[in-house]
Amino acid sequence: QQQVKQSPQSLIVQKGGISIINCAYENTAFDYFPWYQQFPGKGPALLIAIRPDVSEKKEGRFTISFNKSAKQFSLHIMDSQPGDSATYFCAATPFGNEKLTFGTGTRLTIIP
Amino acid sequence: DAGVIQSPRHEVTEMGQEVTLRCKPISGHNSLFWYRQTMMRGLELLIYFNNNVPIDDSGMPEDRFSAKMPNASFSTLKIQPSEPRDSAVYFCASRTYRDEQFFGPGTRLTVL
Repeated sequence: QQQVKQSPQSLIVQKGGISIINCAYENTAFDYFPWYQQFPGKGPALLIAIRPDVSEKKEGRFTISFNKSAKQFSLHIMDSQPGDSATYFCAATPFGNEKLTFGTGTRLTIIP
Repeated sequence: DAGVIQSPRHEVTEMGQEVTLRCKPISGHNSLFWYRQTMMRGLELLIYFNNNVPIDDSGMPEDRFSAKMPNASFSTLKIQPSEPRDSAVYFCASRTYRDEQFFGPGTRLTVL
């Protein structure tokens, strides 16, 4: 019930392309879905987050798409750049609960 | 603000030794989290505090692990005795009443 499944485990995208990372959850009590970005040797940092009252949230080149009925959400990185190469984690938590359940991570590599 | 501060950044110790990891949360944040990150298990929440009080320690792997938060600006995670399987990167994170957690740079622990 608490698990968040993330795919793919690794992803290679050409510079300028679209990177797509998917997550699925089971717990219908989840209502906050952040994405974290982690560079080697650093801690995860919040990239963008969404609540289920909207189906999409966009911040610059980063977009979260949310499908409440399917219990899925995804991160889209438009015009992917080499500087986007990092590990990305989706996460989820129920309202008022401080415990984040993290996905297993996706290692994204952007090649020239 | 300097962000979440963790020390040491790297720790190498021998099996059986006591290890103490330290964390200074962002000033004004009232929640503090300790995570462990490994290749096999990803990011795992070990314990978190609200207003210096431990709320949920269900992620602490065993009695060898203990955590304290004597005041709002300092927390420790202690492993005694340490074992090779404790080798991991340990992250501290803090937050305010909002949902975003800010992670520190982590402590890379190697137990020989």
